[in-house]
Amino acid sequence: DTGVSQDPRHKITKRGQNVTFRCDPISEHNRLYWYRQTLGQGPEFLTYFQNEAQLEKSRLLSDRFSAERPKGSFSTLEIQRTEQGDSAMYLCASSLTGAAYNSPLHFGNGTRLTVT
Amino acid sequence: EDKVVQSPLSLVVHEGDTVTLNCSYEVTNFRSLLWYKQEKKAPTFLFMLTSSGIEKKSGRLSSILDKKELFSILNITATQTGDSAIYLCAGTDSWGKFQFGAGTQVVVTP
Repeated sequence: DTGVSQDPRHKITKRGQNVTFRCDPISEHNRLYWYRQTLGQGPEFLTYFQNEAQLEKSRLLSDRFSAERPKGSFSTLEIQRTEQGDSAMYLCASSLTGAAYNSPLHFGNGTRLTVT
Repeated sequence: EDKVVQSPLSLVVHEGDTVTLNCSYEVTNFRSLLWYKQEKKAPTFLFMLTSSGIEKKSGRLSSILDKKELFSILNITATQTGDSAIYLCAGTDSWGKFQFGAGTQVVVTP
């Protein structure tokens, strides 16, 4: 399978705990994106990377959220001190982007987080 | 701040009907407009539009972009129950950032 893979598929955690999600993008893609989606809403931008460089982090994102892509391949998204409002589907996507083009985003199946 | 607005938010149609979904955008340094279909899990790519007035077609689905009026439409003809899904549009800019709308939920009844 050469698509985007995310792990775990589901995560249930208690409020106040830390969680970490992993995303493996399509191998030849240089861009990696994290989005959050709640019921009835479109994907909300969280952050994105070009290779290992984090290009932008959403201003709406609190300091409890951090993401890394240490070697320009897989990425991790960590949420510290989880709150019930963090319950959502976390989607990872990758694309190939150059100076004059953006390829479409290819999404993984997401990690569904439930904070109790 | 970039903005993508879709309408309607939801609609219910009968099999065989034609559906038109709307997407308006305000994206700085706009590059392209994309449509996705989302069923239970990940959004799957439908179309990417970069030029005005050129229709893209795939089976019963078609889409067109108007860069002067800043909108796009997605048409689905002869709808089937398998077309039931959320349809998302996204605008992308020259930095490769994708801004999504809230989506249109389409329900096709037999």
